[in-house]
Amino acid sequence: GAGVSQSPSNKVTEKGKDVELRCDPISGHTALYWYRQSLGQGLEFLIYFQGNSAPDKSGLPSDRFSAERTGGSVSTLTIQRTQQEDSAVYLCASSSSGGRSYEQYFGPGTRLTVT
Amino acid sequence: AQRVTQPEKLLSVFKGAPVELKCNYSYSGSPELFWYVQYSRQRLQLLLRHISRESIKGFTADLNKGETSFHLKKPFAQEEDSAMYYCALRGGATNKLIFGTGTLLAVQP
Repeated sequence: GAGVSQSPSNKVTEKGKDVELRCDPISGHTALYWYRQSLGQGLEFLIYFQGNSAPDKSGLPSDRFSAERTGGSVSTLTIQRTQQEDSAVYLCASSSSGGRSYEQYFGPGTRLTVT
Repeated sequence: AQRVTQPEKLLSVFKGAPVELKCNYSYSGSPELFWYVQYSRQRLQLLLRHISRESIKGFTADLNKGETSFHLKKPFAQEEDSAMYYCALRGGATNKLIFGTGTLLAVQP
């Protein structure tokens, strides 16, 4: 079946503009995660959804970042007033449960460049 | 604090040589450790997890709680092993993964 998909694959935006990144998890997966992959920083956790609620938002770097999930499926990560330090690859992952024994499957990522 | 350390940014070996990618972690409790791999132009994927105690593509990793390490090993490297390898930790009430900064393995012919 189809894996996790993300769109757009690449996004170039000007500093100060808002951007929306989309994640389509594997059908039936209740848990969804957003991570950020920055040069030299590795992979950083941003937010975790179980269904439509987000019990762990501890990784969101500032209040410019927000995310929502609707229908227990698609999730959107929004970055307002983008800054150059927001440039990174944003990865989405899903798993069939939020439980510890379930594997997270990653999407191909969205490469965001803020000029 | 929960932390994963991968001290090597780049590891270059010749084909057929042994490989050891180092990973140390900091966690108070019983962690769950993973190795993820990202081949060129492919998405991040799970390589192995410590609870499975399995060998995948010839790679093994043993959790050493005394040394808080989870090093990834392979006795004979192949060119197709060239990739970015991330060590990750999951533990506690949250289900998020905490990743190290990654090690780029380059296997020379």
